Amino acid sequence: EAGVAQSPRYKIIEKRQSVAFWCNPISGHATLYWYQQILGQGPKLLIQFQNNGVVDDSQLPKDRFSAERLKGVDSTLKIQPAKLEDSAVYLCASSLVSTAVNTEAFFGQGTRLTVV
Amino acid sequence: QQQVKQSPQSLIVQKGGISIINCAYENTAFDYFPWYQQFPGKGPALLIAIRPDVSEKKEGRFTISFNKSAKQFSLHIMDSQPGDSATYFCAAFQGAQKLVFGQGTRLTINP
Repeated sequence: EAGVAQSPRYKIIEKRQSVAFWCNPISGHATLYWYQQILGQGPKLLIQFQNNGVVDDSQLPKDRFSAERLKGVDSTLKIQPAKLEDSAVYLCASSLVSTAVNTEAFFGQGTRLTVV
Repeated sequence: QQQVKQSPQSLIVQKGGISIINCAYENTAFDYFPWYQQFPGKGPALLIAIRPDVSEKKEGRFTISFNKSAKQFSLHIMDSQPGDSATYFCAAFQGAQKLVFGQGTRLTINP
């Protein structure tokens, strides 16, 4: 079974530039998450999709971050303009949907963003 | 707002020893408590998980102990091995699969 695919693996940009990350979840997984993991901290949820609808984006800095999952499969996360504090690893995860049982979230390897 | 507090931040254990990582939570709506293991350059991977109606779950050398009244849970790694050296995150599910993570514990097993 193929895992969650993310690209690029690494990205270095200057502040005020824009950047986009791509995620392809595991086939059949309806739920997709984007997490931000700052060095030395636990992952923080940015946005959660159920198919192509947003379930939770309460911690997404909407003035600069945007995300979409147009066809309920792949997703992109964009930052525009980037700030120094956006330097982090951006993790994508996916899981099956279950109303009765909490199911495992599978993570990709992440995209390491450095803003200089 | 830190909903799951994890300690210690770092831990060094000798090979063959027991590694213990603790977590505490406040939100009684949490109903599923997984532990994730993360190696450098990799995403977190599910290690073991427990529900609040169970006080202990064991899988091989890994055991979760859960104290619902104290709102605390812990991960015990028995016979710790150098290959267990990684960062461990406790987490909690809240309602519609909102996964909240602790701050992480960097575990080093000395050979």
